[in-house]
Amino acid sequence: DVKVTQSSRYLVKRTGEKVFLECVQDMDHENMFWYRQDPGLGLRLIYFSYDVKMKEKGDIPEGYSVSREKKERFSLILESASTNQTSMYLCASSDRIGGYTFGSGTRLTVV
Amino acid sequence: QKEVEQNSGPLSVPEGAIASLNCTYSDRGSQSFFWYRQYSGKSPELIMSIYSNGDKEDGRFTAQLNKASQYVSLLIRDSQPSDSATYLCAVNRPDAGGTSYGKLTFGQGTILTVHP
Repeated sequence: DVKVTQSSRYLVKRTGEKVFLECVQDMDHENMFWYRQDPGLGLRLIYFSYDVKMKEKGDIPEGYSVSREKKERFSLILESASTNQTSMYLCASSDRIGGYTFGSGTRLTVV
Repeated sequence: QKEVEQNSGPLSVPEGAIASLNCTYSDRGSQSFFWYRQYSGKSPELIMSIYSNGDKEDGRFTAQLNKASQYVSLLIRDSQPSDSATYLCAVNRPDAGGTSYGKLTFGQGTILTVHP
């Protein structure tokens, strides 16, 4: 089974902090994604990557950046955390045509 | 118009009944369609994928796709209380050049409750 591992299940950070969310997949998938999920808004794409060092903005990239230095690892960076970034963050990976495998999610609270 | 719309729910069915979940999408270029199940507090789990018009069956689950009508559905036969979850429809998002890089657009989800 493909495994997608997110480094933290719960995080509490202060406003203005730089936050790193890490995601690692073990099936050599080309594509990796970061979504956030909020009640009433569903899943929204923040950034995605289709190859090492390649990244593209999703629908809501403002306030976020990403890094993919190795194929298996895709990091989401909140440059200066704000309270409106309190959310569930979901990492996913996929091959070229298949559906996603999601990590277990990181519930981030910014206070 | 939302890119992917699901019947609003919540949907409540008795144990043993057929649950029918529906989804419409707006991009005629979409070629890949998926159903995910998400239990409360958990991440989504892929349960069905479908790429061609018609029906695809996997155990108690049947996915149906009609590209002409831009419609995809999920039927759950012999519904069980353990099927109670939010079901998410997802559709691939090709860009202007037809490449999607696997990007998916998700519907808002339909909450299904199966009562004993």
